[in-house]
Amino acid sequence: DTGVSQNPRHKITKRGQNVTFRCDPISEHNRLYWYRQTLGQGPEFLTYFQNEAQLEKSRLLSDRFSAERPKGSFSTLEIQRTEQGDSAMYLCASSLLGTGSRYTFGSGTRLTVV
Amino acid sequence: AQSVSQHNHHVILSEAASLELGCNYSYGGTVNLFWYVQYPGQHLQLLLKYFSGDPLVKGIKGFEAEFIKSKFSFNLRKPSVQWSDTAEYFCAVTSDNAGNMLTFGGGTRLMVKP
Repeated sequence: DTGVSQNPRHKITKRGQNVTFRCDPISEHNRLYWYRQTLGQGPEFLTYFQNEAQLEKSRLLSDRFSAERPKGSFSTLEIQRTEQGDSAMYLCASSLLGTGSRYTFGSGTRLTVV
Repeated sequence: AQSVSQHNHHVILSEAASLELGCNYSYGGTVNLFWYVQYPGQHLQLLLKYFSGDPLVKGIKGFEAEFIKSKFSFNLRKPSVQWSDTAEYFCAVTSDNAGNMLTFGGGTRLMVKP
C-alpha cells in the first residue's frame, strides 16, 4: 500500500479555466476527505465521502466546486471558472470507519491561478 | 462550532533547546485532539493523538502533549529539539458532534538552528 495518492502535484491555470484533481485513497478506507490549505494557514475542511456518498460539504465549497467519488474508490475535485483566490494546496485524506479519526493524508495538489 | 488556536506562528530555537507549542480549542463536549507535523515538501503526518485515558500522550520522535481539560489546552512539548524537527506543526480537534472532521489550528512554523 502506497498511501494516499494525489494527482497532479502541481497545477498552474489561467483564471476562468476549469481544473480537476484526483485522489486515490488507501484501498480499504471507506472515508475520503478534501481539505484546502492556503499559505500560513491550517488545512480547512471542504467535504467528505463515506463510500460513494457525499455526507458533508463546508460553506467554503462554493457552487464552482464539485467533488465526486463515483465508485467509492478514487475521488475527483473539480473547480470551474477558477479565480485567483482558489490558489491553494488541496489535500486529500482517507480513513476507515470505526478507527476513529486516524487519517492518512496525501501530499496534496498545489493550484496556482494566474 | 469547534475552533483551534495556536499562539505561536513562528518559533526559532537552537538545537538541544526545549520546545513547547501552545494549542487551545473551543468546544465544551467530548473531543479528540491531534498534533500533526509537515516537513518541508512532505505531507501531513500524525505526531500523536489523544482520545481518552492518560492526559499525557507520548508520540513519535520524542514528542509528547498534555491534555488539560480545564484549560482547553493540548500543548506539544519536546525536551531537546534537533535540526530535523524543523517543520510546521498543526494542532487539530474532532468532536462528538462533528463526525470525524478535523478542525486545524493555523500552524506553528518551527525552525531549529544547528
